[in-house]
Amino acid sequence: EAGVAQSPRYKIIEKRQSVAFWCNPISGHATLYWYQQILGQGPKLLIQFQNNGVVDDSQLPKDRFSAERLKGVDSTLKIQPAKLEDSAVYLCASSSTGVGNTIYFGEGSWLTVV
Amino acid sequence: QKEVEQNSGPLSVPEGAIASLNCTYSDRGSQSFFWYRQYSGKSPELIMSIYSNGDKEDGRFTAQLNKASQYVSLLIRDSQPSDSATYLCAVSDFNKFYFGSGTKLNVKP
Repeated sequence: EAGVAQSPRYKIIEKRQSVAFWCNPISGHATLYWYQQILGQGPKLLIQFQNNGVVDDSQLPKDRFSAERLKGVDSTLKIQPAKLEDSAVYLCASSSTGVGNTIYFGEGSWLTVV
Repeated sequence: QKEVEQNSGPLSVPEGAIASLNCTYSDRGSQSFFWYRQYSGKSPELIMSIYSNGDKEDGRFTAQLNKASQYVSLLIRDSQPSDSATYLCAVSDFNKFYFGSGTKLNVKP
């Protein structure tokens, strides 16, 4: 079974530029998550989708971050304009639905803002 | 925001010893509990899940859950240098997952 796919793996941009990350979840997983992990910290949920709909985006900085999940499969996370403090790993994860389900992560997209 | 607390470490143990990692959580309604291992520069990898009170063993790993005390632990027996990583505790409530900041484990040869 293929895992969660993410691209690009690494990105360096200047502040105020924009960047987009792509994610393809495990086949059949209805729930897709974007987490931000800053060095030395645990993953922080940015946005959670259930199929096409947003379940939770309470911690998404909506003035600069946006995300969409078209057709309930792939997802894109965009940052515009980027700030220095956005330097982090952006982890996409997916899970099936129901009690006892497990979340699986992709390899992450490493962003450095200079 | 539901809290998941872990000691950041580092926890240093000699090779062959038992490593004990602890986690507490704030939400009594939490249903499922997980331990993830994260090597430096890598993404988190699931190593154990536990859903009911008591112990669950998988090879050298044992997860322990005490819902009354809101406490989860992970024991690693016969620790190896390859176990050196950050261990993340995660708690789930109806498809929402909350992570601790992780405990860094160093296993010294």
